[in-house]
Amino acid sequence: KAGVTQTPRYLIKTRGQQVTLSCSPISGHRSVSWYQQTPGQGLQFLFEYFSETQRNKGNFPGRFSGRQFSNSRSEMNVSTLELGDSALYLCASSLTYNEQFFGPGTRLTVL
Amino acid sequence: AQSVAQPEDQVNVAEGNPLTVKCTYSVSGNPYLFWYVQYPNRGLQFLLKYITGDNLVKGSYGFEAEFNKSQTSFHLKKPSALVSDSALYFCAVSHEREYGNKLVFGAGTILRVKS
Repeated sequence: KAGVTQTPRYLIKTRGQQVTLSCSPISGHRSVSWYQQTPGQGLQFLFEYFSETQRNKGNFPGRFSGRQFSNSRSEMNVSTLELGDSALYLCASSLTYNEQFFGPGTRLTVL
Repeated sequence: AQSVAQPEDQVNVAEGNPLTVKCTYSVSGNPYLFWYVQYPNRGLQFLLKYITGDNLVKGSYGFEAEFNKSQTSFHLKKPSALVSDSALYFCAVSHEREYGNKLVFGAGTILRVKS
């Protein structure tokens, strides 16, 4: 079975721009979660989608948003990028509660 | 609110020796506990989990962890370390009252295994 895939793997943007990241979960998984990983803050939960509905949300500003499609693929959008948004963004999919499988991540650099 | 502490930024061990990576947690209700490993430029790989049942949990690549409720700990162990075990290890927690999937991670511990 194919694992979680994330595109693109690397992205460079400038301040003020917006960005969209994509995540394709493992086939059959309906839950998709997003995490931000930075050297200073570590791994932080952004949000979770299940059956096209946001089920959980972390403590991030409204510039961070997401959505999930009927095929369970998910996108994450960050608007008005700031330098501090530079991070590795990880997507995880799950079939059952709490056992999550992570993708390789998208490395976002904001200049 | 739940939290996880990994008190050691780095653990150094010689190849063939046993290793322990420490984790303590704070959560309301019964915890769900996880260990993940991250290699450079990679995502997280699941090692093992504790949900309920036997306090000693066995996972991938020869790793195991012991759940200790009285000490609120979930230390990761391996009887004989390999150089290839060198990586960044994360402990994570959720709990039974959490609706859905929301993990709180520790800061991570770098494991260095020297030959």
